[in-house]
Amino acid sequence: EVQLVESGGGLVQPGGSLRLSCAASGFSFSDYVMHWVRQVPGKGPVWVSRISHDEIISYEESVKGRFTISRDNAKNTLYLQMNSLRAEDTAVYYCTRDLEYKIDYWGQGTLVTVSS
Amino acid sequence: QSALTQPASVSASPGQSITISCTGTSSDVGAYNHVSWYQQKPDKAPKLIIYDVSKRPSGVSSRFSGSKSGNTASLTISGLQAEDEADYYCSSYARKTPFIFGSGTKVTVL
Repeated sequence: EVQLVESGGGLVQPGGSLRLSCAASGFSFSDYVMHWVRQVPGKGPVWVSRISHDEIISYEESVKGRFTISRDNAKNTLYLQMNSLRAEDTAVYYCTRDLEYKIDYWGQGTLVTVSS
Repeated sequence: QSALTQPASVSASPGQSITISCTGTSSDVGAYNHVSWYQQKPDKAPKLIIYDVSKRPSGVSSRFSGSKSGNTASLTISGLQAEDEADYYCSSYARKTPFIFGSGTKVTVL
């Protein structure tokens, strides 16, 4: 069974940092493109960042230079380092798996709240 | 890039059919046959119910079907049931970003 379990969310002040982790199991993690997607409650999801199995990386424009995606295939773990956080980064962050142009699995999400 | 446009809400009685539209542009929905639909219930993660415009993952009810014409994709739920009450989001592969999502449609079963 595919499982994606996020952790690391919480309350942080504007300008602060957080590191999200996603522990993957039930599939060959190293073979898959992975994404972070965020969602403000009541709004549609928004794609944040992508990392391929060979570590080709891309970011949504508003997080470029502030967020860093990475993966550790030996630990089956996806990461998102978030620096210089802003109020508008407040959202539930989901770790997701990409299967041929679709997201087929989502984690349960971790809430990030940026507020003073 | 702007979100794909969906109606905010749709409601119908049990047993009826509903159709949710998802309008994009020639850079996303109109350009690729990689439109997906997700069902999201309160405090849960989205669940994939349609991919590649009209394909259903294993285990998803045949009451869910998808189609596309030009820049607009559609999700139809036939024989509406109480358990179908949820938020529904479309998504498309896009030229400038791997995925662009819709604004969401709240389905209410009367």
